[in-house]
Amino acid sequence: EIVMTQSPATLSVSPGERTTLSCRASQSVNTNLAWYQQKPGQAPRLLIYGASTRAPDIPAKFSGSGSETDFTLTISSLQSEDFAVYYCQQYLKWPLTFGGGTKVEI
Amino acid sequence: QVQVVESGGGVVHPGGSLRLSCAASGFTFSSHAMYWVRQAPGKGLEWVAVISYDGRNKFYTDALKGRFTISRDNSRNALYLQMNSLRPDDTAVYYCARDRGVVTPTYYLGDWGQGTLVTVSS
Repeated sequence: EIVMTQSPATLSVSPGERTTLSCRASQSVNTNLAWYQQKPGQAPRLLIYGASTRAPDIPAKFSGSGSETDFTLTISSLQSEDFAVYYCQQYLKWPLTFGGGTKVEI
Repeated sequence: QVQVVESGGGVVHPGGSLRLSCAASGFTFSSHAMYWVRQAPGKGLEWVAVISYDGRNKFYTDALKGRFTISRDNSRNALYLQMNSLRPDDTAVYYCARDRGVVTPTYYLGDWGQGTLVTVSS
C-alpha cells in the first residue's frame, strides 16, 4: 500500500502568519492527492483535490501544490478558525490511504 | 443541501456484531459511490470500504475483509456497514462519506456525516 507521511506532526503558528504543511507519498501518486481539514469534534472537510484544486466554497487562502511524491498545503494569514488537523489522502491506488495528520495550533 | 447522517453505533462486546446505517439526502444518492471511513479515538483517518453507485462493485481495506460488509439500498437512499466479529481495536467513530463524482467516482471524499461511535468492550 502507498504510505502517506505528513510533517510536522504539530505546527505552532501565530494568527496572521502563513504556514506550509508537507505530505510525502511512498511512491508516485501523480496528482491524485486530496487535503482535508478536521476541527475538534467535527467531521473532516474536503479542501483540495487533484493536488491543487480547491473544493467548492473553500477560500483562496488555502492552496495546494506538488506532484508525484511531494505535496504541500499552504494556508495564508491563519485565522482562529483555521486551527485544526489537516490530513492528506492519496487516491491513485487501493487501498485509499491517509497521512497521519498535521495539527496546526496556536 | 447534501446531508449524510450515520446511525447505529453503540457499545458491543468483543465478538459481537453491529450494523451501521447512513441516511442520505439533498442529492441523487443512486448516482454516487459511497464510503465508510473510521477514526479511532485520538487517531487519524482510516478508509474502511467503498461501494459503487449501483452497488455492483465493493472494495475493502485488507485488514477488514471478511468481517465487514458494505451495502446500499438506492430505493431508500441508505448506506450500510455490517460489522461482525468485532474487536476492541474496531473502536472508532465511523463516518459515511460521498464521492463527489457522478456515476464515475473520483475517489476523494466530498461530503461527510458527523459520524457514529462504535465502542467494542467487555
